[in-house]
Amino acid sequence: LAKTTQPISMDSYEGQEVNITCSHNNIATNDYITWYQQFPSQGPRFIIQGYKTKVTNEVASLFIPADRKSSTLSLPRVSLSDTAVYYCLVGAGNNAGNMLTFGGGTRLMVKP
Amino acid sequence: DAGVTQSPTHLIKTRGQQVTLRCSPKSGHDTVSWYQQALGQGPQFIFQYYEEEERQRGNFPDRFSGHQFPNYSSELNVNALLLGDSALYLCASSRTGGLGNTIYFGEGSWLTVV
Repeated sequence: LAKTTQPISMDSYEGQEVNITCSHNNIATNDYITWYQQFPSQGPRFIIQGYKTKVTNEVASLFIPADRKSSTLSLPRVSLSDTAVYYCLVGAGNNAGNMLTFGGGTRLMVKP
Repeated sequence: DAGVTQSPTHLIKTRGQQVTLRCSPKSGHDTVSWYQQALGQGPQFIFQYYEEEERQRGNFPDRFSGHQFPNYSSELNVNALLLGDSALYLCASSRTGGLGNTIYFGEGSWLTVV
C-alpha cells in the first residue's frame, strides 16, 4: 500500500487559497488519489478524487503531476468552516480487497 | 439518496461486555469496511466485507468480528470490551468493480468503555 506524507498542520485566513501537498512516492499504476475532510466527531467526508492531471469540482481542485508521486489539494477562498483535518489517501479504485490507509492528516486552521 | 447510515450514534459499555454496531451502505454499494478511530488519530482499518464474506482484515484481534447480510448491510461485533476499545467506529461503503469507485463514510458510532 502506498504511504502518504502530508504536513501535520497549516494555518490560513478567511478568503485565502489553501494548497495542501501530499507526497506518495510509491504510488502504484492503478492507484487513485482521494482526499477527505473530517470535522471533530464526524466521519470523513469525500472531497475529490483523481488519477492524473487536474480535477476540479464545486469545492476543490486536485493537481497531480505527470509522475503522480505527489498531489496538491487546492481550496479556493477558505472560510472558518473549512477548519478541519484533511486526509490524502492512495489506493486502487476498484476496491478489490482495497483498504484505505490513513496517515495523520493535515490539520487546517482558518483564522478570521 | 441516503448515504451511509450507522447506529447507534453513541453508546456506553462496561469492560468485558459485548457490543454490536450496525451499518447500512449507500444505495448501490455492495462493499462495507469498518474503521476504528481513536481520539486525535486517523482511522484504522478493521476489516472489509464483500458478498457476505470477510475479504481483508487489518491488525485487529479476533475479538473484533463482523457480518454482512444479503442486503449488503453489516454489523461489527466486539467481544470482551477493553478500555482501549473506546473510539469512533466508522463504516465505509463502496461499489466493487471498475476503477475509481469512491469510498463513502458514515458519521460513526461513538463507543465509550468504562
